[in-house]
This record gives sequence, structure tokens and C-alpha cells, in this order.
Amino acid sequence: GQNIDQPTEMTATEGAIVQINCTYQTSGFNGLFWYQQHAGEAPTFLSYNVLDGLEEKGRFSSFLSRSKGYSYLLLKELQMKDSASYLCGTVNAGNNRKLIWGLGTSLAVNP
Amino acid sequence: DAGITQSPRHKVTETGTPVTLRCHQTENHRYMYWYRQDPGHGLRLIHYSYGVKDTDKGEVSDGYSVSRSKTEDFLLTLESATSSQTSVYFCAISGDSGRSDTQYFGPGTRLTVL
Repeated sequence: GQNIDQPTEMTATEGAIVQINCTYQTSGFNGLFWYQQHAGEAPTFLSYNVLDGLEEKGRFSSFLSRSKGYSYLLLKELQMKDSASYLCGTVNAGNNRKLIWGLGTSLAVNP
Repeated sequence: DAGITQSPRHKVTETGTPVTLRCHQTENHRYMYWYRQDPGHGLRLIHYSYGVKDTDKGEVSDGYSVSRSKTEDFLLTLESATSSQTSVYFCAISGDSGRSDTQYFGPGTRLTVL
């Protein structure tokens, strides 16, 4: 079967670092996505990992371990505007590019 | 940002009426998707298209139909709206570029069925 797990809610303090985890069980794995979604808005693309390791993009980094079925999104120097939901999704080979989505992690950044 | 628009952005309708939502893209992308998003359920795929006139069902397709007569437009129809179809509907697109399957989302349509 296919399943993605991520924490429902997290809180952090402005200026701190937060790590949002995502575990998955899926066949034919072909990449993992992270999206950000502010309340009342559409999801927007943050990162894509298909190989093991860390991908850094400014204050945001994403890590993937295919052998462990595990990814995390690392947010540094948190800002109030980072308060949002963070969605993890996997894509499988030969699946017409359909994504399997987790339920999302709601992050609240407090001053 | 990818050129994707959805119309209408908001709609209130009554149970039993047909409703059509439109997704329009200017990116010439091959793949288009319709999702609904509800609290506690995340994004759920309703239908998707992998080319003109090529569509298939997603995980929550009952009560919905789609059509794609040209690359840029993907229509979602609720044949007879029910209160359980009150939701936020997102359209997404993705292209054929290498192994990247990045989906880009439209702004969403908030549908209320009374």
C-alpha cells in the first residue's frame, strides 16, 4: 500500500530552527515533494528530492533517505511568515505523475 | 508562477444543481489534476488528465465528471451537487520535463452546497 505520515501540528519560535518529518511507505518511489500552503491559499512548491541527501535552498533544506522511507524539511531563521501548512507528497514511477499526499503539518511560529 | 486560473473563485449553490468548475492553463502542460481539500483529509485527487480527451479517475471520483477537449482547459462537473461536496477545489498542472513531476496549483475554488 501507500502511506505518508507527518505530524499534525508543530510550534516554534521566531528565529529558531524547526524540522518537519515525513515518513512514507510506497512502491515504485520516484521522488518526494515538499509544498507550503498558507491559510486560504494554494500549495506552492518548495523542494523535490529523488536522491539521498540534503538539498539546500536558502533558509529551507530538504533531506531524503530512500532506504529508510524518510524525509525532513528544515526551516532555519524562522520568520512569522513561515506559519503555514507543510505538505509532503511522493510520486511513483509510471503513475501518470500522480502524487500521494500526506495530511500536512501545520506550523505556528510565535514571536 | 505557472499560468493557471480557476473560475469561479467562489460559488454557492443548492443541493441537486449541476456545477461546472473551470481550470485554464497557459503553460501547455500535458498533465492536469483536480483535487479537493477538506480539514482532516488533506488533498484528495478527484480526476486527472494525461492529454486531450485522456482522463482517469482519482481516489474520490464518485459524483464528479471531467472533460478536456483542449490542452489548456480542464473542466470539473458536479452532476448533482450535494452538501458533502462543499469543499475547496484545486486544479494543478505538471509537464513532461525530465524526472521532475512538480505540480503547480491554481488559486482554488471555494464551493458551498446548501
